[in-house]
Amino acid sequence: QKEVEQDPGPLSVPEGAIVSLNCTYSNSAFQYFMWYRQYSRKGPELLMYTYSSGNKEDGRFTAQVDKSSKYISLFIRDSQPSDSATYLCAMSKSWGKLQFGAGTQVVVTP
Amino acid sequence: DGGITQSPKYLFRKEGQNVTLSCEQNLNHDAMYWYRQDPGQGLRLIYYSQIVNDFQKGDIAEGYSVSREKKESFPLTVTSAQKNPTAFYLCASSIDKGQGVRGTDTQYFGPGTRLTVL
Repeated sequence: QKEVEQDPGPLSVPEGAIVSLNCTYSNSAFQYFMWYRQYSRKGPELLMYTYSSGNKEDGRFTAQVDKSSKYISLFIRDSQPSDSATYLCAMSKSWGKLQFGAGTQVVVTP
Repeated sequence: DGGITQSPKYLFRKEGQNVTLSCEQNLNHDAMYWYRQDPGQGLRLIYYSQIVNDFQKGDIAEGYSVSREKKESFPLTVTSAQKNPTAFYLCASSIDKGQGVRGTDTQYFGPGTRLTVL
């Protein structure tokens, strides 16, 4: 069983809809949680960084962490075609060694 | 411009050959990492280095080697011992030296090198 599980999609939504992404994990020692966006054939870019449980908002993006359920989420409001990409969750117990989910492909249709 | 560069963007290798992938950063980051990405498997850590002249194996180090002679550079060699080297290779860096300062372990990625074995 993988330490981090993420539905690979694809997830197709119409422009303007809310995109909801999530990851589950098995190791309760994870305490740092990240979401990366990766366009096709490019390197991932960091979207959100959160520590422990709670919510964090940045523009159209909201990240949620529920450590009791071992579940993290990313919401994208007012989705745009430019949001079409693969979204990777990542988490770590301590410095440096990130565990990544497989990534969810998102397609926002005009 | 500050950032991470990887070269080449595309690389083709014949079976039995060693190849070296370049990674350079001008962000003054202490830590550097190499990941491999395969479809449906996310990113897997090959090697990482917290400081010059020191590096550690990641989860899938077999068939790979690295060096860290300069802070800015962390080249990865894919050896002929790597059974299935065709993949997308990503280099990353972060500020943190392992001092546990929250947020400084955030990793920033280069554009990647796509390696294909013919």
